[in-house]
Amino acid sequence: DAGVIQSPRHEVTEMGQEVTLRCKPISGHDYLFWYRQTMMRGLELLIYFNNNVPIDDSGMPEDRFSAKMPNASFSTLKIQPSEPRDSAVYFCASSLGLAGVLTQYFGPGTRLLVL
Amino acid sequence: AQTVTQSQPEMSVQEAETVTLSCTYDTSENNYYLFWYKQPPSRQMILVIRQEAYKQQNATENRFSVNFQKAAKSFSLKISDSQLGDTAMYFCAFMKTGANNLFFGTGTRLTVIP
Repeated sequence: DAGVIQSPRHEVTEMGQEVTLRCKPISGHDYLFWYRQTMMRGLELLIYFNNNVPIDDSGMPEDRFSAKMPNASFSTLKIQPSEPRDSAVYFCASSLGLAGVLTQYFGPGTRLLVL
Repeated sequence: AQTVTQSQPEMSVQEAETVTLSCTYDTSENNYYLFWYKQPPSRQMILVIRQEAYKQQNATENRFSVNFQKAAKSFSLKISDSQLGDTAMYFCAFMKTGANNLFFGTGTRLTVIP
């Protein structure tokens, strides 16, 4: 299995620009998670989907952040407009919900730098 | 709310030696899962080991084992025969059964010294 795939691996943009992060979960997994990692706040769950439906987006920092999952094999996290404080590593993870054992497998992350 | 505490920000160990990383958590739940994830310099988050709270037997994966003390809410990771490739950040994480949120500790940076 290819594992969770994220693109791009690195993104440098200027404040005010739109940023789109992409994720392809492991085939067959029915849960998808977006996390953000910063030095100050550690790893934070932003949002997660089950069967392409957003279940909990309480971790999304503000309206500038949005996430979609149009099908079982693709999700996007969009930041518009971006700000320097959005600089972080963004991880996508997926899991298979069987008998409550939801081990999450992480992608390699996207390192975002907003200047 | 669940909290996960890793009280050792940094640790080091000599190659081939054994090291134990500490983790404690606070929860009122009886059924849950605990995880250790490894994050090497590549930034990839890699699952190391998982423990179900209802199991009394400690989980083991090759050189990695845990000491799960449910009453004490402690979940330490032991790495035996440490290798240079074990150098990484190690995160302890908690998940309530039936939920999907992973709560992470702040991590322990482990350096294996040749």
